Amino acid sequence: EDQVTQSPEALRLQEGESSSLNCSYTVSGLRGLFWYRQDPGKGPEFLFTLYSAGEEKEKERLKATLTKKESFLHITAPKPEDSATYLCAVQDPLNQAGTALIFGKGTTLSVSS
Amino acid sequence: DSGVTQTPKHLITATGQRVTLRCSPRSGDLSVYWYQQSLDQGLQFLIQYYNGEERAKGNILERFSAQQFPDLHSELNLSSLELGDSALYFCASGQGNTEAFFGQGTRLTVV
Repeated sequence: EDQVTQSPEALRLQEGESSSLNCSYTVSGLRGLFWYRQDPGKGPEFLFTLYSAGEEKEKERLKATLTKKESFLHITAPKPEDSATYLCAVQDPLNQAGTALIFGKGTTLSVSS
Repeated sequence: DSGVTQTPKHLITATGQRVTLRCSPRSGDLSVYWYQQSLDQGLQFLIQYYNGEERAKGNILERFSAQQFPDLHSELNLSSLELGDSALYFCASGQGNTEAFFGQGTRLTVV
């Protein structure tokens, strides 16, 4: 059973067309929810960490929000350089001694000019 | 640049062989994580070390092993390689209780 589910799998936007990516999680006792960006053939790049429901964080055109069951990554007026795969992850509740992450399969965003 | 260095960037080897992947964490980070990324499985956690000691284990095969040395660099050893081991292998480092920063990965191709 997937503990982290991201939707949609792929999203195509026109430049300037705002949208949201969804990450739903089923782990109990959330110890942190993480958003990363990954370009093809590169390592994931850290974006945000959210710890409690109601928390929001922003960086340039991106804003991440968290509820008790899901997180959203809002992209406002995207540009072509925002094209990437966006990964959501939570800390593994079964690995209490460690801080390993369980990743979703990601949303691949394509922004065309 | 995340500050995490992985070598080599690419590796091509034959089935049955053994390889070693190396990771230098960011300065000051005590925790090192290894992840495997394949097209069908996504990013999968393998193992975590903290200040030289194993902290957590994920879906790491018995043919795979890792260690973290006193200078905090880490190595992932993969032996008796199979075609299905072809993947991107990422190392990440962090303080151990917050976000982790990923290296650029080693692309392993087993032929």
